[in-house]
Amino acid sequence: QLQLQESGPGLVKPSETLSLTCTVSGGSISSNNFYWGWIRQPPGKGLEWIGRIFYSGRTYYNPSLKSRGTISVDTSKNQFSLTLKYVTAADTAVYYCARLHGDRWYDVWGQGTTVTVS
Amino acid sequence: DIQMTQSPSSVSASVGDRVTITCRASQGISSWLAWYQQKSGKAPKLLIYAASSLQSGVPSRFSGSGSGTEFTLTISSLQPEDFATYYCQQADSFPLTFGGGTNVEIK
Repeated sequence: QLQLQESGPGLVKPSETLSLTCTVSGGSISSNNFYWGWIRQPPGKGLEWIGRIFYSGRTYYNPSLKSRGTISVDTSKNQFSLTLKYVTAADTAVYYCARLHGDRWYDVWGQGTTVTVS
Repeated sequence: DIQMTQSPSSVSASVGDRVTITCRASQGISSWLAWYQQKSGKAPKLLIYAASSLQSGVPSRFSGSGSGTEFTLTISSLQPEDFATYYCQQADSFPLTFGGGTNVEIK
């Protein structure tokens, strides 16, 4: 059964860089049928799409991030990662990694990791 | 960006009730719509994709309908485990966008 697990620091200082990794187990990240993405949810608020990556490295980001975000993939480790530069308190959120089926909808999610910018 | 608007933002219902949630897109998205359920402190769970297709393992009391700009999620007979927040998501174009959520509460 496919599982995704986020990891990374829970506390980041303002103006610094947030770095998270998603480890995929129970399946290969190098699949032609799936993309891999990041979504976040500020405390008490709704879901915001951050971006996604294909195993080949092809990416798409939410323009709202204003080019601060980068998603990368390491197929040898079956992992993909998110870095977000110049963070502010507005970046405080639960960050989820998830599998994007057919580049359309998220059918498998990680449990989420809380990142606080302070 | 395509804006997704859900209504109501909150609904109080009893076990056994029929509950309907509406999601409207700011422009036509054909049938490129998904519905998710999120329980407190948990990750969202995919319920419906392509507007009306039931994700594997999801109970048949959940159903979705609509196309274009207006969509509905219906829970035919609300069960205790269905009290949660529900989100729609358009899958027509990037950036993918979500509705603001509908909180289904116990009456």
